[in-house]
Amino acid sequence: DAGVIQSPRHEVTEMGQEVTLRCKPISGHNSLFWYRQTMMRGLELLIYFNNNVPIDDSGMPEDRFSAKMPNASFSTLKIQPSEPRDSAVYFCASLRMGGATGELFFGEGSRLTVL
Amino acid sequence: RKEVEQDPGPFNVPEGATVAFNCTYSNSASQSFFWYRQDCRKEPKLLMSVYSSGNEDGRFTAQLNRASQYISLLIRDSKLSDSATYLCVVNMGGSNYKLTFGKGTLLTVNP
Repeated sequence: DAGVIQSPRHEVTEMGQEVTLRCKPISGHNSLFWYRQTMMRGLELLIYFNNNVPIDDSGMPEDRFSAKMPNASFSTLKIQPSEPRDSAVYFCASLRMGGATGELFFGEGSRLTVL
Repeated sequence: RKEVEQDPGPFNVPEGATVAFNCTYSNSASQSFFWYRQDCRKEPKLLMSVYSSGNEDGRFTAQLNRASQYISLLIRDSKLSDSATYLCVVNMGGSNYKLTFGKGTLLTVNP
């Protein structure tokens, strides 16, 4: 079975450029999460969706960040304009609400470097 | 107070040692708790759920103290392969599954 698929795996961009990160959750999962991980702050929850609806975006750092989930099999996280402090690993994760374990499955992450 | 707080670590232990990690959480209404493991430059993966009565999986034991809002993970007879970062996770959102991670504790098991 395919896991959570993220793209790109690595991105290097210059300050001010738009960055779009993509995620395909596991089929049948109805909850999707975006996390950001840095050494200083650890894993921070940015936003999560249940049944494609954003539930809590209080972790989105500022208006430069936006996320969408147009359907059950696709989500994007956009940063516009990007800044060097946005450099981090961005993880997408999904789970099936009501499942036995509540286990969260992560993608391999998108490593973003903003110069 | 941070929502989920863990021992800062790092922990360096010899093979065969017993090591314990602690975690506290701020929301007394939290209902479900987990430990995840993250290997270097990899994604986090579920290690075990934490049940109210405590639970064991081989060399790993997880415990929950609701009164103190405290979770622990005990690793007995540690192996080199246990070297990883251990992340405490708390569901802050009830049925909405707002899964909040601690910063993690790095464990290195030495030969």
